[in-house]
Amino acid sequence: EVLLLESGGGLVQPGGSLRLSCAASGFTFSTHAMSWVRQAPGKGLEWVSAISVTTYYADSVKGRFTISRDNSKNTLYLQMNSLRAEDTAVYYCAKDLPYSGWFFDYWGQGTLVTVSS
Amino acid sequence: DVVMTQSPLSLPVTLGQPASISCRSSQSLVHSDGNTYLGWFQQRPGQSPRRLIYKVSNRASGVPDRFSGSGSGTDFTLKISRVEAEDVGVYYCMQGSHWPLTFGGGTKVEIK
Repeated sequence: EVLLLESGGGLVQPGGSLRLSCAASGFTFSTHAMSWVRQAPGKGLEWVSAISVTTYYADSVKGRFTISRDNSKNTLYLQMNSLRAEDTAVYYCAKDLPYSGWFFDYWGQGTLVTVSS
Repeated sequence: DVVMTQSPLSLPVTLGQPASISCRSSQSLVHSDGNTYLGWFQQRPGQSPRRLIYKVSNRASGVPDRFSGSGSGTDFTLKISRVEAEDVGVYYCMQGSHWPLTFGGGTKVEIK
């Protein structure tokens, strides 16, 4: 069974940093592209970042967020710096279905990030 | 960026009746490799998003056959042939043909 378990969310002040983790199991992690998708309270879905052989970022987070992975630990990360109020959201990690054009076939339960003073 | 526009925003449906959601993109979703990367997701209340349809019309594993996707170019549709109570939630389209990946604003399906 594929499982994605996010952690690391919490309350942080504007300008602060946070690192999210996503522990993956039930599939060969190293061979799959992964993404982070966020959802602000009461709002829709927004893609944030993706990693395959290279990395991709939404303009809203470029230069502030860094996606990475540790295949030996089956873990995906999102380092978030210079956080802003508008980064407040539930952050989901999602697994890519191969050859589907970045279709996400599994999603984690999400971790809430709140940026507030 | 490719803008994905869904309609309607809200869709009240009678149980057992069909439902249809439209998704339009601001530019063609035909990728340089010839594929069209348009997907659909369902988000039930209080839950994470769930896979439904990929590459316009391919049902993901475990998705009931009452869900179907169609369309081409810039115009796409998700259809539910007979709405069941468990289908209540918000439906999102997403394009994977151009960077950055973008989602539609969502369509809320509710029971009349």
